[in-house]
Amino acid sequence: DAKTTQPPSMDCAEGRAANLPCNHSTISGNEYVYWYRQIHSQGPQYIIHGLKNNETNEMASLIITEDRKSSTLILPHATLRDTAVYYCIVNPNQAGTALIFGKGTTLSVSS
Amino acid sequence: NAGVTQTPKFRILKIGQSMTLQCAQDMNHNYMYWYRQDPGMGLKLIYYSVGAGITDKGEVPNGYNVSRSTTEDFPLRLELAAPSQTSVYFCASRSGQVQTGELFFGEGSRLTVL
Repeated sequence: DAKTTQPPSMDCAEGRAANLPCNHSTISGNEYVYWYRQIHSQGPQYIIHGLKNNETNEMASLIITEDRKSSTLILPHATLRDTAVYYCIVNPNQAGTALIFGKGTTLSVSS
Repeated sequence: NAGVTQTPKFRILKIGQSMTLQCAQDMNHNYMYWYRQDPGMGLKLIYYSVGAGITDKGEVPNGYNVSRSTTEDFPLRLELAAPSQTSVYFCASRSGQVQTGELFFGEGSRLTVL
């Protein structure tokens, strides 16, 4: 069973912020939220992950709600190169044995 | 560092043939994974390994075998290839520290079974 729910597709104008939502209502207290993206047919690329605090790095920000049942990935200034499939993943267990990828959100950035 | 290296990048097989997809990483990672991705679909976990000598099944293991005799290498064996195994295969590795979270992927091996 899928542990995350994401919209199948989203559009964003170049230069604007892209806000990608993810629902993970069955998340356990010790499970992390991970975000990856896949550009065209390349191997997926790690973006960011978090447990309960908001996180920011050079690529994106991750906002996790206080009840941890949903999160939002924010790309502050989307470019055409951010067009990709974005995967929100909840680790099946904290031992980190495997990440299970869902269908993700296809983000299309246009000029 | 080369990261995760997969060979071959492309291969065409006939039904019933066998082959091995090679995966090597030079980051001394304990955890290694094989995923497959069918056209227009997400990634499915085939097998994974938490260290040399230890492997476990993922979501779609049927028709595949793996071994992990060294930390660096994690080959995926396809026995009796079938058209349903036409896919892009990705190998990945991670350090094993869950807090880092980052999976490193190879460039993929594109397999067609005719």
